[in-house]
Amino acid sequence: SQQGEEDPQALSIQEGENATMNCSYKTSINNLQWYRQNSGRGLVHLILIRSNEREKHSGRLRVTLDTSKKSSSLLITASRAADTASYFCATDAGTSGSRLTFGEGTQLTVNP
Amino acid sequence: EPEVTQTPSHQVTQMGQEVILRCVPISNHLYFYWYRQILGQKVEFLVSFYNNEISEKSEIFDDQFSVERPDGSNFTLKIRSTKLEDSAMYFCASITTPVAHEAFFGQGTRLTVV
Repeated sequence: SQQGEEDPQALSIQEGENATMNCSYKTSINNLQWYRQNSGRGLVHLILIRSNEREKHSGRLRVTLDTSKKSSSLLITASRAADTASYFCATDAGTSGSRLTFGEGTQLTVNP
Repeated sequence: EPEVTQTPSHQVTQMGQEVILRCVPISNHLYFYWYRQILGQKVEFLVSFYNNEISEKSEIFDDQFSVERPDGSNFTLKIRSTKLEDSAMYFCASITTPVAHEAFFGQGTRLTVV
């Protein structure tokens, strides 16, 4: 089954604006994580939210999780050109060392 | 800051040839993974490795793939007879303990099969 579908697929904003990306999933999860990928590079972990949490903040990042709707959102406030990247949500089932299942990703472009 | 390193960064190989992709995970990490990302697509899980054996593998990880940790530091992915559709970015990742879930990824190896 598909897991972690993001929308929008692409988002273009101006520097200083907020960017909101959404992720939906279909199966039960233990954690949901957001990763960032600069073009052609590796994945960088941004933030993890556990299934019993509803909201989490880290710097300019705010993540929400609604397990009843099986969805999460990532908000980047006061965006910068350097935030331009692809953003992926990833879920895991919670068993020891379980795999991450990634979504399709949102390509964010922040225009200076 | 410790990081996962992968070599080579780019590998071009002829169809049917064997390739070995190498990774050096972070030294105190216990779980190791290989993921791949076909151009323009999402990241897909291939295999996880713990305590010197495969702990989980996906349907993609068929008999042409193998992994090993030969010397306690390197973690390798071997593709025995490459196909055109194996062209992708291959990422190695590791986590500290079985209950930690933040994965540290390498920069990837871009494999091009011609």
